[in-house]
Amino acid sequence: DGGITQSPKYLFRKEGQNVTLSCEQNLNHDAMYWYRQDPGQGLRLIYYSQIVNDFQKGDIAEGYSVSREKKESFPLTVTSAQKNPTAFYLCASSERGNTDTQYFGPGTRLTVL
Amino acid sequence: GNSVTQMEGPVTLSEEAFLTINCTYTATGYPSLFWYVQYPGEGLQLLLKATKADDKGSNKGFEATYRKETTSFHLEKGSVQVSDSAVYFCALDRGSTLGRLYFGRGTQLTVWP
Repeated sequence: DGGITQSPKYLFRKEGQNVTLSCEQNLNHDAMYWYRQDPGQGLRLIYYSQIVNDFQKGDIAEGYSVSREKKESFPLTVTSAQKNPTAFYLCASSERGNTDTQYFGPGTRLTVL
Repeated sequence: GNSVTQMEGPVTLSEEAFLTINCTYTATGYPSLFWYVQYPGEGLQLLLKATKADDKGSNKGFEATYRKETTSFHLEKGSVQVSDSAVYFCALDRGSTLGRLYFGRGTQLTVWP
């Protein structure tokens, strides 16, 4: 079955700790994306990558970091510098990153205690 | 800049009622337009899309027509079902090489039997 997996589904973190959210796709897509979703605010782009070993900041990159060492993987680290990290995080991928449909994973809900 | 404005929710309807969710956009160039749907606790799924003016996207009884003259992409369904209860997001891709999506805030739809 082809698709995007995100793990874990629920994540709890203490203030001051870094945490890494996993995103893996077996669709052979070139482009991958991370979005943050807050109630009533839609989706906001954190980082995106159009090719291995390259990525760009989105609209709200502060306090986050990413890597793209493999085509199928695009992990997101939420650092202690992120002031309000509690949110629902969605990963997506698309074939060419240009007017192609984006396919979304099931999301990870991060709660900072 | 690029942005999407959706009608605010929540929208509450009885089963078999007619649905319209308004979406207007601002964009440079010639964007593609999308409707995504999110069921509770899940990621987003593509519902339909249109890539040029006057195109009509359709899927599962939902339709939307790309109107360049009114910069709109309203979502319609003739007879909603309880299973249509979800959050609906309008989005645009401005057609550049960046391949990023701009999302509206989402509209919560609840359908009662």
